[in-house]
Amino acid sequence: DADVTQTPRNRITKTGKRIMLECSQTKGHDRMYWYRQDPGLGLRLIYYSFDVKDINKGEISDGYSVSRQAQAKFSLSLESAIPNQTALYFCATSDSSGAGKDTQYFGPGTRLTVL
Amino acid sequence: QKEVEQNSGPLSVPEGAIASLNCTYSDRVSQSFFWYRQYSGKSPELIMSIYSNGDKEDGRFTAQLNKASQYVSLLIRDSQPSDSATYLCAIEGGGSNYKLTFGKGTLLTVNP
Repeated sequence: DADVTQTPRNRITKTGKRIMLECSQTKGHDRMYWYRQDPGLGLRLIYYSFDVKDINKGEISDGYSVSRQAQAKFSLSLESAIPNQTALYFCATSDSSGAGKDTQYFGPGTRLTVL
Repeated sequence: QKEVEQNSGPLSVPEGAIASLNCTYSDRVSQSFFWYRQYSGKSPELIMSIYSNGDKEDGRFTAQLNKASQYVSLLIRDSQPSDSATYLCAIEGGGSNYKLTFGKGTLLTVNP
């Protein structure tokens, strides 16, 4: 089984709809991240969480919100989806302790299309 | 603002050749450096991490770091068609800020 899973893997929605992307991990990592990737723009950080009670905005948090329901679960919500939020979304995790403590491991991604 | 610059490519090399991928960064306090490989439509996969100046080798891959020049590179020896992918350079900012800043990636094509 994959260590970092994302659901759904693909989603098509309409402008104005609220949607949630979910991320779960079995790696036991305390830190979790949400990125979006757009052609030519690379990976950009939306939100990150260093533990259940520590959630921080990334460089492009406008229009998004997150919830860290447990150490293993981190959800990303689009309150009112708009077409320019069409992108590939990745969840990632890292461990704050031990060797390689800042290495991030990525989930398989969610391809979101907003019509 | 931290910046990470990579040549977008495409970089095209023949099978068996050495592919050289380069990355420069702006934040002098960066402590950790990573190379990820990403196949089209797939998630980034960690290839190498490097923390100290010099070379680090892992199989056909060698990462090179020069903090004074703010430069990190990835060499792929005996390139294979399966190495064709986008390579992402990522820098961690140091201190307690365990966030990565990614370059936009270099597309590598290895021709049989």
